Amino acid sequence: EIVLTQSPATLSLSPGERATLSCRASQSVSSYLAWYQQKPGQAPRLLIYDASNRATGIPARFSGSGSGTDFTLTISSLEPEDFAVYYCQQRSNWPPKYTFGQGTKLEIK
Amino acid sequence: EVQLVESGGVVVQPGGSLRLSCAASGFTFDDYAMHWVRQAPGKGLEWVSLISWDGGSTYYADSVKGRFTISRDNSKNSLYLQMNSLRAEDTALYYCAKDGTATGYSSGGPPLDYWGQGTLVTVSS
Repeated sequence: EIVLTQSPATLSLSPGERATLSCRASQSVSSYLAWYQQKPGQAPRLLIYDASNRATGIPARFSGSGSGTDFTLTISSLEPEDFAVYYCQQRSNWPPKYTFGQGTKLEIK
Repeated sequence: EVQLVESGGVVVQPGGSLRLSCAASGFTFDDYAMHWVRQAPGKGLEWVSLISWDGGSTYYADSVKGRFTISRDNSKNSLYLQMNSLRAEDTALYYCAKDGTATGYSSGGPPLDYWGQGTLVTVSS
């Protein structure tokens, strides 16, 4: 079973700063890596899929990169609404099983 | 506008059964695979199950295999999760989510691209 490890657990930054979130897989997941944002009391929202493709309606300040086992979500300049918990997610090839990382909490400094 | 509305969450005793429903609208339901994902209080996300566009293929997390059954009725634009032999550790907010593909295991493509607001299942005596 592939395990996803996100770091850091908590990231404290100020609006306008650049955020870099990491997700490491225990074995290669090719480019089948997605990122989600979850705000308190809300459902998760898909941000990035296939490592680097922005989902519909996602602002350009969100970008994803990586392949294999190491992936990064970058928020170029933090807006107040970006403070939330972020999860990475992968899908194993066969049988298809989906795994989430434990999450990174992005909080206001 | 894509809408997913879950229902059926209640308080149930350990060993009990429950059926969750998810009503879908705003997209062609039978074109897409669907998922259930859960989130225990204060915890992270855990994928539960996947069903293909036609209901012909289903997949489960090891933690629920043999106890939960996912199904769909495309004539009613509805997704279901039959939950049996419930345990305290099944307590969670259960989300239904739309996949961006017909099978849920295509090469590439958006995975869980729309989510409902969830329905709370509490397993307690």
